Amino acid sequence: EPEVTQTPSHQVTQMGQEVILRCVPISNHLYFYWYRQILGQKVEFLVSFYNNEISEKSEIFDDQFSVERPDGSNFTLKIRSTKLEDSAMYFCASRESASGANVLTFGAGSRLTVL
Amino acid sequence: AQSVSQHNHHVILSEAASLELGCNYSYGGTVNLFWYVQYPGQHLQLLLKYFSGDPLVKGIKGFEAEFIKSKFSFNLRKPSVQWSDTAEYFCAVNAKAAGNKLTFGGGTRVLVKP
Repeated sequence: EPEVTQTPSHQVTQMGQEVILRCVPISNHLYFYWYRQILGQKVEFLVSFYNNEISEKSEIFDDQFSVERPDGSNFTLKIRSTKLEDSAMYFCASRESASGANVLTFGAGSRLTVL
Repeated sequence: AQSVSQHNHHVILSEAASLELGCNYSYGGTVNLFWYVQYPGQHLQLLLKYFSGDPLVKGIKGFEAEFIKSKFSFNLRKPSVQWSDTAEYFCAVNAKAAGNKLTFGGGTRVLVKP
């Protein structure tokens, strides 16, 4: 069964450092997403991406965050200068089309710990 | 504010007991509804979904959910749980009124005692 893969599974970083989380969506999917889940809290939408541009972003997705699809397969989330409150599980998701069957397939997540 | 609410944060029950998890949403208009499950140490997985048609939806692993439009609810049920159903369960809603994204409820942690 096709799956969304994410790397690294866990990253520990110092506050102020840049972090890049990588995702490989399912190959025929066109819409890509990042969500995050702070420990003990709900899953929150960060950003959606289609046709090489951001289609929607939440208020969490400020100037410290950026996304990129550099090579047609990877979909990356970059945090320029991490803060303690960025510690969370980050989930990548993708879906095939914009049809009513709006089913996202999620990756296993990347746990980010900011010290 | 438009939102998705899950009534119970934690549920503890014994094997073979019946399970019902509540989910309410506040969006008007057309909605697509989902239940996701997250087993310990694993990623989010789709349990079942509702787009249209029969409001009683059957999913994997014996789960079902009922969409009651008048109550803005999409409760998840399983008649007889197993220890392996221990997980966190998330209700999610995709509503045209909320843009083209999923909004998740806060999750319900379910612990099934063997």
